[in-house]
Amino acid sequence: GAVVSQHPSRVICKSGTSVKIECRSLDFQATTMFWYRQFPKKSLMLMATSNEGSKATYEQGVEKDKFLINHASLTLSTLTVTSAHPEDSSFYICSAKAPGGPYNEQFFGPGTRLTVL
Amino acid sequence: QKEVEQDPGPLSVPEGAIVSLNCTYSNSAFQYFMWYRQYSRKGPELLMYTYSSGNKEDGRFTAQVDKSSKYISLFIRDSQPSDSATYLCAIGSGGGNKLTFGTGTQLKVEL
Repeated sequence: GAVVSQHPSRVICKSGTSVKIECRSLDFQATTMFWYRQFPKKSLMLMATSNEGSKATYEQGVEKDKFLINHASLTLSTLTVTSAHPEDSSFYICSAKAPGGPYNEQFFGPGTRLTVL
Repeated sequence: QKEVEQDPGPLSVPEGAIVSLNCTYSNSAFQYFMWYRQYSRKGPELLMYTYSSGNKEDGRFTAQVDKSSKYISLFIRDSQPSDSATYLCAIGSGGGNKLTFGTGTQLKVEL
């Protein structure tokens, strides 16, 4: 299957700092990538849809000025958590939509665990 | 009512048992049905996908969709300890990209 990587896998930062998370599709081009947030023992919550070369589409309740998304190329999308606070601590997972095919098939990265002190 | 309902478990079964995992959904516009497996602290991994009512089999896994009842199932035969994970159903509608996930069912297969 298609491979999606995320970096870093784990990050600890101080409150008020910004953190950038990278999502890469390694063996395919992804025009669409997705960013999710997952709380312990909870499902994936879609934060935003990232389209290459255009502005991201944010889900209701997600602050676009706080969670900056850039999809600069067909293999890279970044999520920047600005002025992070302890309540932003979570598991952030990206996915990339495989090109072609009739399905909304998404391949997920391994996730990034963010801890804000 | 949530768009997708899934029993969070945990579900504990002995090795070799047949496991049945289920989701219900409310929106009849949903057309694509997927099952993902997620190990602790990892990203979800696609197991099965289907878009029609009926059964789809892949090794020990069988996905079943009943659109009339808005009910989907994943069966795991001859369950193994390595199957211990959280299983998430995911449903999408045609023409769109978004998937709606269930809460996930935590499964533990014991020796």
